[in-house]
Amino acid sequence: DSGVTQTPKHLITATGQRVTLRCSPRSGDLSVYWYQQSLDQGLQFLIQYYNGEERAKGNILERFSAQQFPDLHSELNLSSLELGDSALYFCASSSGTGGSYEQYFGPGTRLTVT
Amino acid sequence: AQSVTQLGSHVSVSEGALVLLRCNYSSSVPPYLFWYVQYPNQGLQLLLKYTSAATLVKGINGFEAEFKKSETSFHLTKPSAHMSDAAEYFCAVTPSWDKLIFGTGTRLQVFP
Repeated sequence: DSGVTQTPKHLITATGQRVTLRCSPRSGDLSVYWYQQSLDQGLQFLIQYYNGEERAKGNILERFSAQQFPDLHSELNLSSLELGDSALYFCASSSGTGGSYEQYFGPGTRLTVT
Repeated sequence: AQSVTQLGSHVSVSEGALVLLRCNYSSSVPPYLFWYVQYPNQGLQLLLKYTSAATLVKGINGFEAEFKKSETSFHLTKPSAHMSDAAEYFCAVTPSWDKLIFGTGTRLQVFP
């Protein structure tokens, strides 16, 4: 158990809909990262937040957005969903300080768009 | 731009045999490298990391990796495979501690 929690575990929705994925980082970790894992794209970095502020952006679509709240949990919002958005979405966290930057991953949310 | 290449999308070994999973990196600066393992229907678990302190890095579950600058490699090894090692393994590099760039993964099968 990495200490990173993600909800829900599975999500099935229709095209055009909007969903919210939630992540709680390990206790004390300030950085949260979101990744997408799909068969055709592999593991892709989407976005990073550090202590509530956006720190880095990767291959994140404009239909996707994220935020990190004062209690450090994070949400990834996916809107106008398309079939191609079906994937595993992982959240990871790290302390982001003191030279300890390794990332610890949650169990993921499997999104199926029908 | 930094990247990693994993040679071999599938590797099969017998139980008790040596495991060797290959990873080559591309980086213009000293990289920070990682190996993660993903068991079916689970998240990624950190096996080990290289952050320039020592070239031979020991990780969990008996795995280790050696950083070889001359070969730009960071191959993962385990002397004796166990059935429970069957999983997908990912090599990753971080350019600036803000994201991980993953390889395409190697699926390890272990036969009895």
